[in-house]
Amino acid sequence: DIRMTQSPSTLSASIGDRVTITCRASQSIGSWLAWYQQKPGRAPKLLIYKASSFEDEVPSRFSASGSGTDFTLTISSVQPDDFATYYCQDYSSYSVTFGQGTKLEIK
Amino acid sequence: EEQLVQSGAEVKKPGESLKISCKTSGFSFTTYWIAWVRQMPGKGPEWVGAIYPGDSDGKYSPSFQGHVTISADRSTKTVYLQWSSLAASDTAIYYCARTAPGRYFEFYSPFYLRHWGQGTLVTVSS
Repeated sequence: DIRMTQSPSTLSASIGDRVTITCRASQSIGSWLAWYQQKPGRAPKLLIYKASSFEDEVPSRFSASGSGTDFTLTISSVQPDDFATYYCQDYSSYSVTFGQGTKLEIK
Repeated sequence: EEQLVQSGAEVKKPGESLKISCKTSGFSFTTYWIAWVRQMPGKGPEWVGAIYPGDSDGKYSPSFQGHVTISADRSTKTVYLQWSSLAASDTAIYYCARTAPGRYFEFYSPFYLRHWGQGTLVTVSS
């Protein structure tokens, strides 16, 4: 199975900070990568698919890039609604895997 | 509007069987995969497997193969996840979710999850 490694595991930020989350695959997955946001007690919410294609309602402060093994999710100016846990997902095969998550918390 | 509505919370003993459901509406049941995702307390999501109701083709994560069964009822547009013998380690929230349309092939993968159910908490304890 492909392993997905996110860093950091926890990210402390203030409102207005720029933050970047990294996701690394153990082997090339092309652009078959999605990002999700999850808040406590809720199902994950799809933000991005195919590495850099955004869902309609995702704010423009989010950006994403990468292909192959290295991917990033950036929030240019963190807002109160962004404090949550973020997961990347490899869907390059039937054996889908998620990263372990990055918790974005208030500094 | 696409909807996935899951059955309610369950409390079971080790060794018991269980079948939870995910009733869908608002989209073509036979042209999307429906996946099950496990989330253990305080942990990240894990892909259990998925079914393509159009032909009942089921795919499982190696970690779950042989321990669970995914099935679909086209007449009620409902997908099921079942266990024949639960263990305490099965305690988790289980989500069903809908993929993008179509089958997987070399240059296309539909397995990202845009629409999710509300989750079913399964507690297994003696």
